[in-house]
Amino acid sequence: DQQVKQNSPSLSVQEGRISILNCDYTNSMFDYFLWYKKYPAEGPTFLISISSIKDKNEDGRFTVFLNKSAKHLSLHIVPSQPGDSAVYFCAAMINTDKLIFGTGTRLQVFP
Amino acid sequence: ETGVTQSPTHLIKTRGQQVTLRCSSQSGHNTVSWYQQALGQGPQFIFQYYREEENGRGNFPPRFSGLQFPNYSSELNVNALELDDSALYLCASSREQASSYEQYFGPGTRLTVT
Repeated sequence: DQQVKQNSPSLSVQEGRISILNCDYTNSMFDYFLWYKKYPAEGPTFLISISSIKDKNEDGRFTVFLNKSAKHLSLHIVPSQPGDSAVYFCAAMINTDKLIFGTGTRLQVFP
Repeated sequence: ETGVTQSPTHLIKTRGQQVTLRCSSQSGHNTVSWYQQALGQGPQFIFQYYREEENGRGNFPPRFSGLQFPNYSSELNVNALELDDSALYLCASSREQASSYEQYFGPGTRLTVT
């Protein structure tokens, strides 16, 4: 039972354009959502998070949007840079409990 | 500030053997979680340790066990290794009462079971 789903295994975007990574979830009890970025041979790195009581959180080039009614969140990266090329994981949690991860989306930003 | 470190980096074991993986948490963090990441999948929660006690467990059999020490470092032990245990094992630490619930990951240990 996959509670957090990332249906796009890969995404290719031109440098300078917007990257939009999507994530769907099934458990309405999730109260916190996070995005992690992972480079090869490294552990996931925390990128940005959002509480379930909010619908948007912004940090520099990164913005996360949460649509609770649709059980959907998205990560926007503007403008995309080649260094953003990595695997992005969406994760959710309930009350600081375990992180439940999606399967990841590989983002490639090309010149 | 020292980040999360894990050892060893890579490990090859034979089916049926036992393995111990180690993790040092980030300075100031007292909670350690372990995750298994199989190829092409997202990390899956194994268990969490808080102040030397197991504080939550995922859907993993009892042959996966752990310890947390007074300095908050941690070990993951896996007995009777199976081929499907081949994966990247990630350790993550976090602060108690962290307002943003962020967990900081180490680079992982790549375990191959043959």
